[in-house]
Order: sequence, then structure tokens, then C-alpha cells
Amino acid sequence: AQSVTQLGSHVSVSEGALVLLRCNYSSSVPPYLFWYVQYPNQGLQLLLKYTTGATLVKGINGFEAEFKKSETSFHLTKPSAHMSDAAEYFCAVSLYTSGTYKYIFGTGTRLKVLA
Amino acid sequence: NAGVTQTPKFQVLKTGQSMTLQCAQDMNHEYMSWYRQDPGMGLRLIHYSVGAGITDQGEVPNGYNVSRSTTEDFPLRLLSAAPSQTSVYFCASCWGGGGTYEQYFGPGTRLTVT
Repeated sequence: AQSVTQLGSHVSVSEGALVLLRCNYSSSVPPYLFWYVQYPNQGLQLLLKYTTGATLVKGINGFEAEFKKSETSFHLTKPSAHMSDAAEYFCAVSLYTSGTYKYIFGTGTRLKVLA
Repeated sequence: NAGVTQTPKFQVLKTGQSMTLQCAQDMNHEYMSWYRQDPGMGLRLIHYSVGAGITDQGEVPNGYNVSRSTTEDFPLRLLSAAPSQTSVYFCASCWGGGGTYEQYFGPGTRLTVT
């Protein structure tokens, strides 16, 4: 079955430190890949996405992610964490199956930023 | 544009009751979907629709019905509520048939079944 795995349900970093949130997918065909962020008591909003072309994708709020086909990964990074980055982050894939697209989400990683 | 709107924001049901969660979007998106979010399980797809009159099941469809009579609206019906359906429900919409397009999410409905 197609799936998305996010390693680490909780990640803590110090303010100003590197943020690395991991995402791996399993698919026989490279999917379209997304990262979403969810702030408390809100819906999800798009951070960035990879569809085709350049494998390093830049998103909002200084985040970026690199698609590595050989590793089936799409890890999210930010060079310097800010307190406002504290939120839950979801990796998602869009897969074409049975004649339509379905979106599959990972289980999420809650990022805590320490002062 | 209001984007994706959901009503109600909060709801408490007793076991066995039925109700409809409303979802509407004003972006003329063809693709709409319903998810439930539970701690440690991420978002799980309940039902989705690729256009008016077309719906299909997702990962966890049991106990839920949907219909899509217009492009704008995609209501989710709980037929006979059970405590296992206590969750936060999100509606989302997407341009075209999905694929490369990102989804736009509503603010969610927090449902408690006692």
C-alpha cells in the first residue's frame, strides 16, 4: 500500500537552530509531494510542494524541501528556527490510482521551539 | 473569497444520533474531500469528490455518507454517531482533479460523541 512516513512525532529545537523534519514515501511511481503546516485550532495550509523540475523546493516562511528519488524522501528544513514556527507539520503525497488522484497524509510532526 | 467554510465549529452528539457537517467553497474547485484528524494518526481520508455528482470512498468511509449536488457544497452525514467518531473533521478543496494542486482546508469541526 502507498504510504507516507514521518519520522518523529515530536521534534524540539532551540530558537536559531536548524529545523529538519523527515518524510519518506512508498510508491512505485514518484508522486507529487507536499508539506503543510497546522497552527493550533486551525486548518492546514500549504508550505511548499514538489511536482516536477527542480528537486529543491522553496516555500513560505523560509522553509525548503528536497525531493530525493533514490531515497524516496522529501525532508523539510529551515536554517534557523523561530518561535513562530512551533506548529504541527504534515507531509502528503498525491497519487494517481483507480482513475483519480488521492491525497495521503503522514501522521504529522509537532515542532517545539525552545527559547 | 471566503475560501472553504465549515459549520458547525463544535458539536456534541449522543450515540445513535445523526447529523450533517456542512462544507462549502467559493473557489470553483472541482475536487473536494473530507478528512478526520485523530491524535497520532494524522489526517485520514473519509470521502472525496472529483466533481458534482461524483463521489468515492477514502480510507475510512464506514459510518459516513456524502453527496455532491453542486460544485460548491460537499456535506458529510453521520448516519448513527458512535464514540469512535469523536474527532476533528476537515473539509478541503482543490483545483481541477487534484494531482499537482494543493488543497485548501476549512477551519474544522470538532465533534464529540458521548
